[in-house]
Amino acid sequence: AQSVAQPEDQVNVAEGNPLTVKCTYSVSGNPYLFWYVQYPNRGLQFLLKYITGDNLVKGSYGFEAEFNKSQTSFHLKKPSALVSDSALYFCAVRRNQGGKLIFGQGTELSVKP
Amino acid sequence: DADVTQTPRNRITKTGKRIMLECSQTKGHDRMYWYRQDPGLGLRLIYYSFDVKDINKGEISDGYSVSRQAQAKFSLSLESAIPNQTALYFCATSDLWSGELFFGEGSRLTVL
Repeated sequence: AQSVAQPEDQVNVAEGNPLTVKCTYSVSGNPYLFWYVQYPNRGLQFLLKYITGDNLVKGSYGFEAEFNKSQTSFHLKKPSALVSDSALYFCAVRRNQGGKLIFGQGTELSVKP
Repeated sequence: DADVTQTPRNRITKTGKRIMLECSQTKGHDRMYWYRQDPGLGLRLIYYSFDVKDINKGEISDGYSVSRQAQAKFSLSLESAIPNQTALYFCATSDLWSGELFFGEGSRLTVL
């Protein structure tokens, strides 16, 4: 069975500082990994994905994520946080191209001025 | 106009009532999904459909049913609503190749 864990319910960062939102996964075979963001009262929006290739994936709004196969992790990062980055972030994994997407429980990111 | 539209956006109902949440999409995608969001639990898959003739149960299908009326329409029904079905419900679509999901804005359901 596939699963995703986001070990932090909340991450607090000062504006301008780097941010990391953690994600670990469990899946048989090669994973397809995704990050989504949810702003208040909105649906989820796609940020980035890893399927194959370079372990560092770049996505929307200056975010990037690093795939680490040995640690089964896919942490989301940004070099310099903005107040407008404050939102709920979800990591997700699927087992193959056509499989179901399974979500983590979400991490609330709060960026203070 | 939104690519994935959910109606109603908000609904308050009473225990035992039948409720239908509707989803329509203009993405042209074959695959459609219904998820439920609860605080601290993330999104959990209720049902999914890979084409009009294909319906599959997700992680938490008990108490729910779905209908895929056309490629563009996928509705979720609660035959007899109960309070623990109070949640935010999302419809999503995807194509086969990108794997990316496109979400609607959500339907907030409260069962009293």
